[in-house]
Amino acid sequence: GESVGLHLPTLSVQEGDNSIINCAYSNSASDYFIWYKQESGKGPQFIIDIRSNMDKRQGQRVTVLLNKTVKHLSLQIAATQPGDSAVYFCAEKTTSGTYKYIFGTGTRLKVLA
Amino acid sequence: SAVISQKPSRDICQRGTSLTIQCQVDSQVTMMFWYRQQPGQSLTLIATANQGSEATYESGFVIDKFPISRPNLTFSTLTVSNMSPEDSSIYLCSAVGAEAFFGQGTRLTVV
Repeated sequence: GESVGLHLPTLSVQEGDNSIINCAYSNSASDYFIWYKQESGKGPQFIIDIRSNMDKRQGQRVTVLLNKTVKHLSLQIAATQPGDSAVYFCAEKTTSGTYKYIFGTGTRLKVLA
Repeated sequence: SAVISQKPSRDICQRGTSLTIQCQVDSQVTMMFWYRQQPGQSLTLIATANQGSEATYESGFVIDKFPISRPNLTFSTLTVSNMSPEDSSIYLCSAVGAEAFFGQGTRLTVV
């Protein structure tokens, strides 16, 4: 069946370093991907998205890379700050019939002072 | 982006009872979804709430257990019926406008 998974359940980085969170997806027909940040006790918060006709998209301190050949997605956070500590999820939009969003396993990012 | 108000934010319920969770969006949206999130885990899609028709359920979820309504483009409800402790979880409403965004969730504990 469809699945979106992450390679690392927990990632610890030093404050100021760059963070890279990875995600693998299995549905080659997915045409849209989103990264979410979820802080404790809150709902997921949209960070950045990318369409399948792109391989890179940049936001403020964040970059998403999409490699359709190997069905891999990554989120890069530059100059990681304590406020970046959270769980990060990738999600893919599947379009078989009507569309829906399937979430990956999640990676907990811990920023070390 | 639009704002989702979800209530209740938390509840503690007796087994065998039912709880209805409300989701109100402050603007019209095309799609609304309901997810379940077990503590420390990812989000699992329960169903797509279709406006004016029956919801579309994912594998493992059925209408008798999770009846869903969506009477208009800004409002939906999810009922967790005949609850057991295994239903203890966070339930999240999501809406899609320009992007897919979420409410704060409902933390349900069944005792």
